[in-house]
This record gives sequence, structure tokens and C-alpha cells, in this order.
Amino acid sequence: GESVGLHLPTLSVQEGDNSIINCAYSNSASDYFIWYKQESGKGPQFIIDIRSNMDKRQGQRVTVLLNKTVKHLSLQIAATQPGDSAVYFCAENILLPFMNTGFQKLVFGTGTRLLVSP
Amino acid sequence: DVKVTQSSRYLVKRTGEKVFLECVQDMDHENMFWYRQDPGLGLRLIYFSYDVKMKEKGDIPEGYSVSREKKERFSLILESASTNQTSMYLCASSLPGGITYNSPLHFGNGTRLTVT
Repeated sequence: GESVGLHLPTLSVQEGDNSIINCAYSNSASDYFIWYKQESGKGPQFIIDIRSNMDKRQGQRVTVLLNKTVKHLSLQIAATQPGDSAVYFCAENILLPFMNTGFQKLVFGTGTRLLVSP
Repeated sequence: DVKVTQSSRYLVKRTGEKVFLECVQDMDHENMFWYRQDPGLGLRLIYFSYDVKMKEKGDIPEGYSVSREKKERFSLILESASTNQTSMYLCASSLPGGITYNSPLHFGNGTRLTVT
């Protein structure tokens, strides 16, 4: 079935540490995955995405790893800063057969709260 | 940058009232979405629209309807608000063809609705 879940609801780290946020997904047909960051009082912001034909993608201080064998996604944040404190969501893109062209929808995990202490 | 604007940050309504949540995007996106966000449940899709006057049900459409009269505006309507519709409502938009690589959803900052 469709489900995207996170292993840890809250992750506490010290400033400067590396953070790893994990996510499990269940739909082996999902072809695209996204990580979003949501700060208090704001909507989710796009961080980084990855296609299913890749196993790693790097951005600025962030890296997403995809392990299709075990249906696992992770977000790594290097040198975590207090400004990184937020809730992080993973999402998988599911193709809906729609109007013969296909339409995707995102299925979101429940989120992990990252707390960064100075 | 894409801007998705939701007209109200906070709303308090009474049970049985008709409620309109408004969303406007300025990037000429064809696709627009309404999600609700609840603790422990994540974001759940209520309705989406892929073109003006077109709409499709998401995962939890019961008790809601939508209107898309103009490309930039997508309204969520609670015909008769109930307490279980107390939630954070998030509007989002994306380029045509759905959510694809390098074309993710862009979200507004949300409307926190309380139904008493």
C-alpha cells in the first residue's frame, strides 16, 4: 500500500554535528522522492529531490541517499546549524493513471523534528 | 521565486458555518493542491486541480469542495464546518504534468483553522 514513514519522530543534535534523518517508503513503483523542511509557522520548503534511477544526490550541505533494495531514504545535513531546526518530511511521488497521461501525487511521511542545540 | 499566498493565517469559525480558504499563486502554474496537516498524520491531499475549472478528489475530500475559476486562484470550501475539520490547511502549486523531477510542489504558509 501507500505509506511513507519516518523512523524517529525527534532528533536532537549539537551545532556542527552531522544529522541523518531516515525515511521508509512502501511503494516500489515510486520514481521520485523529495525532502521538505518546515519551520514553525511556515509551509514546507523544498530541500532536495532524487529520482529512482539515482542512489545519491548532493546539494549545499545536504545529501539524499536512496536505497531501493530496502525502500529507504535518508537526508544527511552536514555541519548542522541552529537554523536547520525544523520538521523534515520525506515524500514519494506516486503515479496516478489519469486521463491517459498520468498524474503524480505526493505521499508524505509524518515528519521528523530536528532540534539543534548551540 | 514561486509565491503561493494563502489569504488568512488564522481563522476561527463556528460549527455549521460555510468557510472559504483562498489561495493564489503567481507563477502561472497549472496544478494546484489543497492539503491538510495534522499531528501524527502528516500532509493529506484533499483536492487538486490541473486546470481552470477542473478538479479531482484527493484522499480525504469528504466535507470539502473546491473552486478554480482562474488559473492563479484555488479555493477550498467547507460547506458546513465541523470540529473535526480543525486543522492546518496548506495550498500548493506545481508546473503541468504533475510533480516531476525539478518541478516539486511549492507551498503556501498555511491557514490554521479552528472550528468551535
